[in-house]
Amino acid sequence: SAVISQKPSRDICQRGTSLTIQCQVDSQVTMMFWYRQQPGQSLTLIATANQGSEATYESGFVIDKFPISRPNLTFSTLTVSNMSPEDSSIYLCSVYLDGQAFFGQGTRLTVV
Amino acid sequence: DAKTTQPPSMDCAEGRAANLPCNHSTISGNEYVYWYRQIHSQGPQYIIHGLKNNETNEMASLIITEDRKSSTLILPHATLRDTAVYYCIVRAKTSYDKVIFGPGTSLSVIP
Repeated sequence: SAVISQKPSRDICQRGTSLTIQCQVDSQVTMMFWYRQQPGQSLTLIATANQGSEATYESGFVIDKFPISRPNLTFSTLTVSNMSPEDSSIYLCSVYLDGQAFFGQGTRLTVV
Repeated sequence: DAKTTQPPSMDCAEGRAANLPCNHSTISGNEYVYWYRQIHSQGPQYIIHGLKNNETNEMASLIITEDRKSSTLILPHATLRDTAVYYCIVRAKTSYDKVIFGPGTSLSVIP
């Protein structure tokens, strides 16, 4: 199994600012995935982060808004840039290991 | 887009079996059926997965039809703590295949 730690667990931010979310995994993994879950909705994949290369973004998500770093096989960050109230969501990171997907507990972001 | 369809909501009496259906008529030969659940304010939790045979673990059973176009997740004795959104997902069993979530089924276990 994999244990995923996300920081911060929640935050309240002013519009126009940026927040960087950290994801730490206790195992080395090839891919890390970042999701957004808007209130009352399912999870939407933002991007896939592969160590040593640029992240691959899904339709509707761009690097300028959601820059991602993947410096090693156990760590990744997602930045939510120039935030607006519409960015208020839960952001989750995920890894795939031994046939299963594991998820962090998420970062609950409120933009005011 | 998600490759599965599920009813948006279901109710189940506490102590009874909860049977959650999922249609995946376009599933490919190398794709597995995975089930996850998300209890309010938590990250999704893995439940079970299977390819074509029925599977059982300590949490649930997974019944996959012979043509693999649909499946049913069975919680044999539902408790109030099983109230959650349940997601049925199909994907290949590789580290680079994305997990795409549909809307899931919101299961309410009623006392």
